[in-house]
Amino acid sequence: VQLEESGGGLVKPGGSLRLSCAASGFTFSDHYMNWIRQAPGKGLEWLSYISPSGSHRKYADSVKGRFTMSRDNAKNSLYLEMSSLRAEDTAVYYCARAGEMLGAINYNWFDPWGQGTLVTVSS
Amino acid sequence: DIQMTQSPSSVSAVVGDRVTITCRASQDISTWLAWYQQKPGKAPNLLIYAASTLQRGVPSRFSGSGSGTDFTLTINSLQPEDFATYYCQQAQSFPYTFGQGTKLEI
Repeated sequence: VQLEESGGGLVKPGGSLRLSCAASGFTFSDHYMNWIRQAPGKGLEWLSYISPSGSHRKYADSVKGRFTMSRDNAKNSLYLEMSSLRAEDTAVYYCARAGEMLGAINYNWFDPWGQGTLVTVSS
Repeated sequence: DIQMTQSPSSVSAVVGDRVTITCRASQDISTWLAWYQQKPGKAPNLLIYAASTLQRGVPSRFSGSGSGTDFTLTINSLQPEDFATYYCQQAQSFPYTFGQGTKLEI
């Protein structure tokens, strides 16, 4: 089971960026997926989740209206479209699969996580 | 939103010690709690879910307990590789929130 993020980089305030997360080793289309971020030297902040079909999404207030999560089950890929970026969005962004328990899936903990991709918002 | 508060923020210990980290939720979350370990420069790793269930592959020196609002993570017989930051996370309701972290220094 593996998740690998890409697409991070340096972007100016007000700019946009698209992150990707490639999944392998499991049936991607069965699982809820999440984005979680960590500002430099800070703790973890859950950002959003998407249902297996992509029809249901939820966002944290801090990114609602600016970030859009999507998925392409045919490509085993997850995306995060980020716009109107601010300095406080600077962070490592992780994708993470919803957790399992007793053989059932899609619980509200996160396992596994990708290695993360750094987004820096600065002029 | 449910607030998660961990204590202490940091703790120093020596190899072989037993360490306990506590996590308090601002409202009843039953046993919908997870613990993660994060080493510098790495992604978090799930240790315990449902408050007390050890994730596959996690050493048995790690254990979790609690329900409602008060939870503990205990590490018995500390090993050098346990140097890390530990986070609790409530899985009861959206938005899923984390504690601020506890840095364990060996």
